[in-house]
Amino acid sequence: GDSVTQMEGPVTLSEEAFLTINCTYTATGYPSLFWYVQYPGEGLQLLLKATKADDKGSNKGFEATYRKETTSFHLEKGSVQVSDSAVYFCALIENYGQNFVFGPGTRLSVLP
Amino acid sequence: KAGVTQTPRYLIKTRGQQVTLSCSPISGHRSVSWYQQTPGQGLQFLFEYFSETQRNKGNFPGRFSGRQFSNSRSEMNVSTLELGDSALYLCASSSGPAGPDTQYFGPGTRLTVL
Repeated sequence: GDSVTQMEGPVTLSEEAFLTINCTYTATGYPSLFWYVQYPGEGLQLLLKATKADDKGSNKGFEATYRKETTSFHLEKGSVQVSDSAVYFCALIENYGQNFVFGPGTRLSVLP
Repeated sequence: KAGVTQTPRYLIKTRGQQVTLSCSPISGHRSVSWYQQTPGQGLQFLFEYFSETQRNKGNFPGRFSGRQFSNSRSEMNVSTLELGDSALYLCASSSGPAGPDTQYFGPGTRLTVL
């Protein structure tokens, strides 16, 4: 079945550091890929998405590129802020289904 | 537009009881999905409803059930509660009707089973 693997962390960075959270996936078809973020005590918020190979999703300084050849969708940000501290989830959905598959989440802590 | 709302936000029950959680999707959205989030298992898909019909189902026992009403609001029921059912239950809505679609999540209902 489909699956998503991501570095579990926790990841601890200093403010203004560069962030990379790795995400790789296994899917039978051609999935759409997503990054969601969960702040403490809240539900998940869509951060960005990409629906086909080579698409780049971006939002709030975060970027991720859909790499079909490496089945990856790594999340990057050039300069993190304390307010970026949260848990980040990589997810996919197959083109024919409505069942999201989530990775285990990566906890990010940004220190001032 | 108002976001996805879930009620109640917090719930405490004892083993053997049953519980019903409610989810109101974003206006115009016809698909509602439910997820269970626990520290050990992460986010697991429970089921998805579209136009009052269960369209997808995850790998959970029959104690977990749901339904969707004609106004797209959805309820999830868990019978004979077990300690392991303690979790954050998240509801997500999307417009549907077919193909991949962004899901928008509610704040969740935190269920504690004592």
